[in-house]
Amino acid sequence: GQNIDQPTEMTATEGAIVQINCTYQTSGFNGLFWYQQHAGEAPTFLSYNVLDGLEEKGRFSSFLSRSKGYSYLLLKELQMKDSASYLCAVKDSNYQLIWGAGTKLIIKP
Amino acid sequence: NAGVTQTPKFRILKIGQSMTLQCAQDMNHNYMYWYRQDPGMGLKLIYYSVGAGITDKGEVPNGYNVSRSTTEDFPLRLELAAPSQTSVYFCASDIYNEQFFGPGTRLTVL
Repeated sequence: GQNIDQPTEMTATEGAIVQINCTYQTSGFNGLFWYQQHAGEAPTFLSYNVLDGLEEKGRFSSFLSRSKGYSYLLLKELQMKDSASYLCAVKDSNYQLIWGAGTKLIIKP
Repeated sequence: NAGVTQTPKFRILKIGQSMTLQCAQDMNHNYMYWYRQDPGMGLKLIYYSVGAGITDKGEVPNGYNVSRSTTEDFPLRLELAAPSQTSVYFCASDIYNEQFFGPGTRLTVL
C-alpha cells in the first residue's frame, strides 16, 4: 500500500526554527510537495522537490532524499502567522497525489 | 483571475437527498480534481479529469459522479447522500506541478 507519515502536531517558539519530517512509501515517485493549510481554508502550495537536495524559498526550505523516502520542511524565523497545518504529498506512478494527514504547527510567543 | 471557485460554501443535506457541488476555474488548466478532507485526515482523491470529456476515478469514488463538458467546469454530483459523506470538499486544478485549490464546500449529511 501507499503511505505517507508525518508527525501529528508540533510546537515551536516565535523567531525559532522548526523542521517537519515526512517519510513516504509509494508506488512510483514523480515528485514531493509541501502545502500549507490554515484552519478552515484551502491548502496553498509551498514547494516541490523531484531531485535529491535542498530547495530554498525565503524563510522556507524543503529537502528530499529519494533513496531514504524522506523529506523535511524547514521553517526559519517563525512568525505567528505560520501557525497552520503542513501537508506532505507525493505524486505516484499514476501521477496522482497521495497526501499525508498533515502536521499541525503551533507557534507560541 | 478568480482562480478556482466553488459553490456552495456550506450545505446541510438529509440522508437520501441529492446535490451538485459546482467548481469552475478560469486559468485554462486541463487537469482538475475533486478531493474530500475529513477531520485530522489527509486529502482523498474522489475523481479527476485530464481534459474536457475525460474523467477517471480516484481513491474514493463510490457515491459520487462527475462530468467535464468544458475546460472550465467540473461539477461533482452526490446522488443519495449518506452520513459518511459529511466532509469538506475541495476542487483543484493544476499546471506545472502546482495545484490551485478552491475555497471548499463544507457538507453535512444528517
